Amino acid sequence: KAGVTQTPRYLIKTRGQQVTLSCSPISGHRSVSWYQQTPGQGLQFLFEYFSETQRNKGNFPGRFSGRQFSNSRSEMNVSTLELGDSALYLCASSLAPALYQETQYFGPGTRLLVL
Amino acid sequence: AQTVTQSQPEMSVQEAETVTLSCTYDTSESDYYLFWYKQPPSRQMILVIRQEAYKQQNATENRFSVNFQKAAKSFSLKISDSQLGDAAMYFCAMIQGAQKLVFGQGTRLTINP
Repeated sequence: KAGVTQTPRYLIKTRGQQVTLSCSPISGHRSVSWYQQTPGQGLQFLFEYFSETQRNKGNFPGRFSGRQFSNSRSEMNVSTLELGDSALYLCASSLAPALYQETQYFGPGTRLLVL
Repeated sequence: AQTVTQSQPEMSVQEAETVTLSCTYDTSESDYYLFWYKQPPSRQMILVIRQEAYKQQNATENRFSVNFQKAAKSFSLKISDSQLGDAAMYFCAMIQGAQKLVFGQGTRLTINP
């Protein structure tokens, strides 16, 4: 079974631009979560989607948004990019969030550099 | 609020020896799950082992085992017979309620040949 895939793997943008990252979960997984990893703040939860609905959101500004499609694929969007948005963005999928003990499996991440 | 603390930013061990990585956590809940994830230089986050808080028996996966002390809120990872491929950042994480992992700061493990 294929793992979680994320595209693109690397991205360079300039301040003020917007960016869209994509995540395809493991087949059969219906929950997708997004995390931001930076050297200073570590790994921080962004949001989680299930059945095209955002169920949980971390403490990030409204410039960070996401959505999930009927096939469970998810996208996250960051508008008006700032230098501090440079990070590794990780996507994780699990079977069902109603059972929160379901293990999350991570994709390889998208490395975003904002210049 | 739940927090996870890894007090060892870096650890090193000789190949074939045993190393223990420490993790403490704080939560007011009685039902939660604990994980150790490994992040090699490729940055792919890989699940190493998980522990259900309601289980008293420590989880084991081949050379990896945990020492789960619920009263002390401690969750250490023991790697036996260390191999060069074990070199990575190791993150302790906890989940309770909502599908939201809370991670520790990580421990960078170096394996010396």
